[in-house]
Amino acid sequence: QVQLQESGPGLVKPSQTLSLTCAVSGGSINSGGYYWSWIRQFPGKGLEWIGNIYNSGSTHYNPSLKSRISISIDMSDNHFSLRLTSVTAADTAVYYCAREICPNGVCRFDPWGQGILVTVSS
Amino acid sequence: DIQMTQSPSSVSASVGDRVTITCRASQYTSTWLAWYQQKPGKAPKVLIYGASSLQSGVPSRFSGSGSGTDFTLTISSLQPEDFATYYCQQANIFPRTFGQGTTVEIK
Repeated sequence: QVQLQESGPGLVKPSQTLSLTCAVSGGSINSGGYYWSWIRQFPGKGLEWIGNIYNSGSTHYNPSLKSRISISIDMSDNHFSLRLTSVTAADTAVYYCAREICPNGVCRFDPWGQGILVTVSS
Repeated sequence: DIQMTQSPSSVSASVGDRVTITCRASQYTSTWLAWYQQKPGKAPKVLIYGASSLQSGVPSRFSGSGSGTDFTLTISSLQPEDFATYYCQQANIFPRTFGQGTTVEIK
């Protein structure tokens, strides 16, 4: 079965760029029909969808973050990545990668990675 | 964006109780709605998709209903492992959005 694993720094300084990678195992990231997604959860427990990428390279981003985010995909290494620029303390959160599956247009996030806590602090 | 509002924010219940959580969307979302369960320190896990379809491996005591803007998650007989936080999420349009969560606590 497909498994996802996030990696990256757990501490980022304000104004710098947050970079995370999600490694996909147990299946090919080039398989069609999936949106490879990033979601974050704030310390107060609210969940925010960040954006996604299809295997074609097409992306959808949350308008609230659109000017600061970039999601890319690496077919050869079976992973996808998130870059978030100009971070502030408000970007402190647990970051999850997830696969969104949409058979017959009925979508849900499954599976999720275990999550990685990213703290923005000097 | 479609705003998702859950109620109640928390509920205290006993093992064996029937628990109902509601979710209201700010715009029509047909049946493009999913429910997730999250336990402390873990990622959310999908329970229901398409408003009423049970994810494979999820116990049948979980059920979902609704369409349009109003949705319900029901746990027919609460088990000890069901004490957790539950989120609804609309899957109709981008950006995807989540409810604020409902915590089911031990009474």
